[in-house]
Amino acid sequence: EVQLVESGGGLVKPGGSLRLSCAGSGFTFSIYSMNWVRQAPGKGLEWVSHISSSSSTIYYADSVKGRFTISRDNAKNSLYLQMNSLRDEDTAVYYCARDNSFEYWGQGALVTVSS
Amino acid sequence: SYELTQPPSVSVSPGQTASITCSGDKLGIKYACWYQQKPGQSPVLVIYQDSKRPSGIPERFSGSNSGNTATLTISGTQAMDEADYYCQAWDRSIVVFGGGTKLTVL
Repeated sequence: EVQLVESGGGLVKPGGSLRLSCAGSGFTFSIYSMNWVRQAPGKGLEWVSHISSSSSTIYYADSVKGRFTISRDNAKNSLYLQMNSLRDEDTAVYYCARDNSFEYWGQGALVTVSS
Repeated sequence: SYELTQPPSVSVSPGQTASITCSGDKLGIKYACWYQQKPGQSPVLVIYQDSKRPSGIPERFSGSNSGNTATLTISGTQAMDEADYYCQAWDRSIVVFGGGTKLTVL
């Protein structure tokens, strides 16, 4: 069974940093691209970032470019999102999702940016 | 920047057919996907590559994509289909989601 489990969410002050992790299991993690998608409270889905299977290709939404960094460790079956210079508007549930069709999603990690 | 537009809400009676549209410039030359999200749950892929159903998705879910519009069709809609639905497409190196459509089964 494919599983994606996010961790690392929490409360952080504006300007602060947080690192999210996503652990994959039940599939060969190293051959799939991965994505981060967020959803602000009561709002729709917003794509954040994409990383290819080998980390050779990385894309970001304009709203996070220069502040967020996506990475992965295929040996640990893990995906990461380093979030710096956090803003109030970054408050959201952050999901990791597998491959270009977002076929599988994790349960989400809540990030709250507030003073 | 590329945008995908969905109607905010669609209503359907049980057993009837629901159609949810997603509009974007030349969307028909891109692949469209559709996701279902119920309250408090993670999104679930219901249609990929315009019209393909992942394993486990009921046959009543179908999709099409042509011109500027992709359409998700739910035939014989059931109460359990009440949810938010989002379309999605890739535009070069960017992923775009539609704003979402709340499907009400009444």
